[in-house]
Amino acid sequence: TQLLEQSPQFLSIQEGENLTVYCNSSSVFSSLQWYRQEPGEGPVLLVTVVTGGEVKKLKRLTFQFGDARKDSSLHITAAQPGDTGLYLCAGAPSEGSQGNLIFGKGTKLSVKP
Amino acid sequence: EAGVTQSPTHLIKTRGQQATLRCSPISGHTSVYWYQQALGLGLQFLLWYDEGEERNRGNFPPRFSGRQFPNYSSELNVNALELEDSALYLCASSLGLITGSEQYFGPGTRLTVT
Repeated sequence: TQLLEQSPQFLSIQEGENLTVYCNSSSVFSSLQWYRQEPGEGPVLLVTVVTGGEVKKLKRLTFQFGDARKDSSLHITAAQPGDTGLYLCAGAPSEGSQGNLIFGKGTKLSVKP
Repeated sequence: EAGVTQSPTHLIKTRGQQATLRCSPISGHTSVYWYQQALGLGLQFLLWYDEGEERNRGNFPPRFSGRQFPNYSSELNVNALELEDSALYLCASSLGLITGSEQYFGPGTRLTVT
């Protein structure tokens, strides 16, 4: 069974601080996606990383896929209250075409003004 | 372009009843996925449909079932509802039988079982 572990589970910071969220597994994934979810809404896709070692930037957000495609990180620079939400990583299994994504339990981020 | 839509937004049922949830995928997407997001458990994969066929199933009992229609919309049925079925049910769609194809989510249906 492939699992994705996210850390930290909760993060409360002040506006302007930097933070990093980690997503780790012992399994290899063909791709990894990061989502942000607001309370009572569906997850919104932020980015997909496919190649080991890949780095993608989305404004103040930097996403990295580990060289072995087993882990990923999300770094936010100068966090703002609008970044508040649940951040989820999700991996596509590398073996077979199972279709479904494996989700981490998420990191609940709160950015205080 | 319209995103994934789900109905109803909220659904309240009593234990033992049946619930039917509906999902319309993004135009051009042939795959529909159903996930359950219960408090504290994260997103758990339920079912995957593509081109009208069930392609994969998560670790849920048979009373969770569904189908996909010729227009690629989908229905999730939950029979003999139990209190622990209370959760946000999310539908996602993607381009189909491509491993790792990006999944786009709808707003969800909040099911409450009393």
